[in-house]
Amino acid sequence: SQQGEEDPQALSIQEGENATMNCSYKTSINNLQWYRQNSGRGLVHLILIRSNEREKHSGRLRVTLDTSKKSSSLLITASRAADTASYFCATDVGNNRLAFGKGNQVVVIP
Amino acid sequence: GAVVSQHPSWVICKSGTSVKIECRSLDFQATTMFWYRQFPKQSLMLMATSNEGSKATYEQGVEKDKFLINHASLTLSTLTVTSAHPEDSSFYICSAPVTPTNEKLFFGSGTQLSVL
Repeated sequence: SQQGEEDPQALSIQEGENATMNCSYKTSINNLQWYRQNSGRGLVHLILIRSNEREKHSGRLRVTLDTSKKSSSLLITASRAADTASYFCATDVGNNRLAFGKGNQVVVIP
Repeated sequence: GAVVSQHPSWVICKSGTSVKIECRSLDFQATTMFWYRQFPKQSLMLMATSNEGSKATYEQGVEKDKFLINHASLTLSTLTVTSAHPEDSSFYICSAPVTPTNEKLFFGSGTQLSVL
């Protein structure tokens, strides 16, 4: 079952700007993950935030988690052309199975 | 990081034929692998969990006789799309956790299947 859901937006930003995307989910979670997918390729794990964490950083990525609202956001700071991709959040639905949200397509214009 | 190799990258076949897709963990042993399906500009849909040495666990609505999964070794899982039809055309992706308790997944590069 699909649980993580992003606002199905397509973001188009200038290089150097920040990109923010959101994700909502429906049930209790142990953790929430964000993945990136370049066109026609597999997914690459970006960051994992646990249910007892509110914010996490990794390089230019900042993830927040609000378990009361069942939502998460991913911020990419100082975007680069190479950040052009689709971004998905994912939640564990048991036995290490991940349910992915709809994805946000981000285009960074050089 | 761990590497998951998926082959072939793309395949075109005639309706009614069967297609096998391989997923290999190159530098770790994967007792569990996951198969996903993705339509253009859509999310990934989990199809099944491939279990080494035992039967695969299919998600609700996925036909197990249509999508045969075999996980004969700790480094190889295969997905066979049997009697393929145009509606089976899709992007198929496999993934595996580097350890059974590790939540993070490593993904293959995907297989684009086009059924004529």
